[in-house]
Amino acid sequence: DTGVSQDPRHKITKRGQNVTFRCDPISEHNRLYWYRQTLGQGPEFLTYFQNEAQLEKSRLLSDRFSAERPKGSFSTLEIQRTEQGDSAMYLCASSSRTSQNYGYTFGSGTRLTVV
Amino acid sequence: AQTVTQSQPEMSVQEAETVTLSCTYDTSESDYYLFWYKQPPSRQMILVIRQEAYKQQNATENRFSVNFQKAAKSFSLKISDSQLGDAAMYFCAYDNQAGTALIFGKGTTLSVSS
Repeated sequence: DTGVSQDPRHKITKRGQNVTFRCDPISEHNRLYWYRQTLGQGPEFLTYFQNEAQLEKSRLLSDRFSAERPKGSFSTLEIQRTEQGDSAMYLCASSSRTSQNYGYTFGSGTRLTVV
Repeated sequence: AQTVTQSQPEMSVQEAETVTLSCTYDTSESDYYLFWYKQPPSRQMILVIRQEAYKQQNATENRFSVNFQKAAKSFSLKISDSQLGDAAMYFCAYDNQAGTALIFGKGTTLSVSS
C-alpha cells in the first residue's frame, strides 16, 4: 500500500466554478477525514467518514461543500460556486482504530487557488 | 470542546543541539491520544510520535521524545541531536476517545542552522 493519495495536486479555478477533489485512503483504513489548511496555520477539520457513512461535519463545511465516500473506499470533496476564500490546501487523512500503530496518515493534499 | 495550544510560533536550533517544542491542551476526557506531526515546506504531514493518555511512560522514537504531563495537560516534544532535515512546521494534535477528529494546534516553525 502506497499510502493516502490525493488528486489533483494543484487546482486553479475561476471564482464561481465547481471543483471536485478525490482521495484514496489506505485500503485497510475504515475512517477517512477531510481537512482544510491555510498558509501558516494548522489543519482545520471539515468532515469524517466511517466506512461509507458521513458521521460528522464541521460548521466550516458550508452548504457549498459536499463530500461522499461511496462503498467506503475513495472519497470526493466537491466545492460549488467557489469563492476566493476557498483557496487553501485540502488534506485527506485515513486511520484505523484497530491498527497496532494507530495514527492518522495524511495525503499530500490538493492546493486550490481561486482566481 | 477540546483545544490545543502551541505558544511558540517559531523556534530555532543549531545542528546537534536539543530543542523542546511546547504544547498544552484542554479536555475533559480521560482517555485520548496525542500526536506530534511534522510538515516540511510544501510536503506531506508526517507522524513523528504518538502518546496514549493511559500510558504513564513517555513515548520515544529515536531522537524524538515527549514529556507528557497528564494532570497539567502538557505534551512537549524534545528533539535531540537536531539535523538540518528536522526543519519543518511541527503540529501538536489531540485525538478524542472516539477518534472522530484530530484537533491541531497552530504549529511551531522550527529552523535548524549549521
